[in-house]
Amino acid sequence: EVQLVETGGGWIQVGGSLRLSCAASGFSVSNNYMHWVRRAPGKGLEWVSVIYSDGTTYYADSVKGRFTISRDSSKNTLYLQMNTLRAVDTAAYYCARGGVNGNMWLFDYWGQGALVTVSS
Amino acid sequence: EIVMTQSPATLSVSPGERATLSCRASQSISTTLAWYHQRPGQAPRLLIYGTSIRATGIPARFSGAGSGTEFTLTISNLQSEDFAVYYCQQYNKWPGTFGQGTKVEIK
Repeated sequence: EVQLVETGGGWIQVGGSLRLSCAASGFSVSNNYMHWVRRAPGKGLEWVSVIYSDGTTYYADSVKGRFTISRDSSKNTLYLQMNTLRAVDTAAYYCARGGVNGNMWLFDYWGQGALVTVSS
Repeated sequence: EIVMTQSPATLSVSPGERATLSCRASQSISTTLAWYHQRPGQAPRLLIYGTSIRATGIPARFSGAGSGTEFTLTISNLQSEDFAVYYCQQYNKWPGTFGQGTKVEIK
């Protein structure tokens, strides 16, 4: 059974750092498009970052230079290192697998989400 | 970046009735449009892609239509598990972008 479980969310002060983890089971994170998507309070879903099977990474402009996506094949886990956090980064963060019908933007499995609250 | 606008923000429907949700793209996206729903406390789930193709396991009461900039999702014979927030997503241009969501609530 495919499952994604996020951990690492919590409360953090503005300017601080946090690392989210997404443990996968039932498939290999290294062989798939793996994304982070977030939903801020009262807002819609926003794509954050993707890592390809070849290790190529991309970021939304809103997080570029502050967030880093990575993975550990031995642990079958996806990560999101978030630095220099801002209040606007407050959101539920979801990891998701892309690749339905061969399209990286179609997400077939999602985690339950990790809540990140950034406050001054 | 393509902006996706959904309407209405909230739709009140009785069980067994039909709901029609709208999604508009700020520029033409052909038929590269997907729909997801998210129940409270649960992960989002892919319902439809390619405007009208149901994802694996999605019942036939969900149907999608449209092209270019105007799209609709119709849910017939609403069941209790269909009350959720629905998001449209375009994947025609980088990055894929989502609408702000339509909440389907029990009338």
